[in-house]
Amino acid sequence: DVKVTQSSRYLVKRTGEKVFLECVQDMDHENMFWYRQDPGLGLRLIYFSYDVKMKEKGDIPEGYSVSREKKERFSLILESASTNQTSMYLCASSLSLAGGHSYEQYFGPGTRLTVT
Amino acid sequence: QKEVEQNSGPLSVPEGAIASLNCTYSDRVSQSFFWYRQYSGKSPELIMSIYSNGDKEDGRFTAQLNKASQYVSLLIRDSQPSDSATYLCAVNTDSNYQLIWGAGTKLIIKP
Repeated sequence: DVKVTQSSRYLVKRTGEKVFLECVQDMDHENMFWYRQDPGLGLRLIYFSYDVKMKEKGDIPEGYSVSREKKERFSLILESASTNQTSMYLCASSLSLAGGHSYEQYFGPGTRLTVT
Repeated sequence: QKEVEQNSGPLSVPEGAIASLNCTYSDRVSQSFFWYRQYSGKSPELIMSIYSNGDKEDGRFTAQLNKASQYVSLLIRDSQPSDSATYLCAVNTDSNYQLIWGAGTKLIIKP
């Protein structure tokens, strides 16, 4: 079974703090994703990575950065946390099939971040 | 703009009945289609994937795909209160990595 873990289930930070959210997957998946989910807005893609040290912006990258130094680990960084970044953050991973067809994404348990 | 549309619900179904969830998508070249279940406060869990036209059955769940009409549906037979959740439809894009997500349909199974 695919296992995706996230560093914290709940996190409370103050405005202006630098925040690190970590995600680890154990299935040798090439692709990793960071989403945020807010009531009424659905899942929104922040960043994704298709290989080590490779990253691409998603729909809402502003205020975030990412790091992927190892295949199994994908970190999301909030450079200076703001109250509008209070949200559920979800990490996911997927395998790239030969030929490049998209494959199922598997999610971690999520981190509920509150910025006060 | 590639889109995936779902009725937000809530869809209320009596226990033991068939729940039918629908999803339409705009990108004709989409190849892969997924249904996820998300309980309140939890992360999405993959329950079905379908890649070719027709029906795919897994236990009480049946996914149906019609590429000509650009819709995919999920049927849940013998609905149980534990099926109460939000169901997300996701469709691959031609980027090969990303999925386009619907906003989800909230399903309530009434005992």
